[in-house]
Amino acid sequence: GAGVSQTPSNKVTEKGKYVELRCDPISGHTALYWYRQSLGQGPEFLIYFQGTGAADDSGLPNDRFFAVRPEGSVSTLKIQRTERGDSAVYLCASSPGQGRITEAFFGQGTRLTVV
Amino acid sequence: SQQGEEDPQALSIQEGENATMNCSYKTSINNLQWYRQNSGRGLVHLILIRSNEREKHSGRLRVTLDTSKKSSSLLITASRAADTASYFCAPRGSGNTGKLIFGQGTTLQVKP
Repeated sequence: GAGVSQTPSNKVTEKGKYVELRCDPISGHTALYWYRQSLGQGPEFLIYFQGTGAADDSGLPNDRFFAVRPEGSVSTLKIQRTERGDSAVYLCASSPGQGRITEAFFGQGTRLTVV
Repeated sequence: SQQGEEDPQALSIQEGENATMNCSYKTSINNLQWYRQNSGRGLVHLILIRSNEREKHSGRLRVTLDTSKKSSSLLITASRAADTASYFCAPRGSGNTGKLIFGQGTTLQVKP
């Protein structure tokens, strides 16, 4: 596609449920990032993929959060046993390669609400 | 971590005025990027300045970088109501994994 696509755009779930958030990066982009953003805050880094592997997952808050990118393109962020504190906008971004000079392209985010 | 801190946190100006936002960081960088975010959704890349550059222009945007002071500034000239948004800087270190770390941002309001 023309840009980074995230689905769904909005997700409401009950506390304790499992959710999956999907990110379709720009075709050919090898780097993919997940961020979480609460109201009034900057985006908080969660995990960064280079190809299929997680190059840096230091931002995942706990073991309820997991992300995969099995074929090096689409990525899924998985949250188990959701809590109300997980409510936030989850942003995905991609960039062309490992080069540190490149910019990142962001999707419009998934707004997750845990009730 | 290689995180930028934006200043001021909030800025309110009249249309036509210039807006200046600042970014400070702590360690050496390879480049520094500025992003804009409207309505709390996706960020849009504005401009990238490399560590060996001191100033860069893009339309009404002017970015400066002072590596000796570990600071950058973003100037928006002749602001418009459509410039109302949050602005974030993202310094990229020479030794990191490639991830971008964002601060709290500067929220700019341009009044018509």
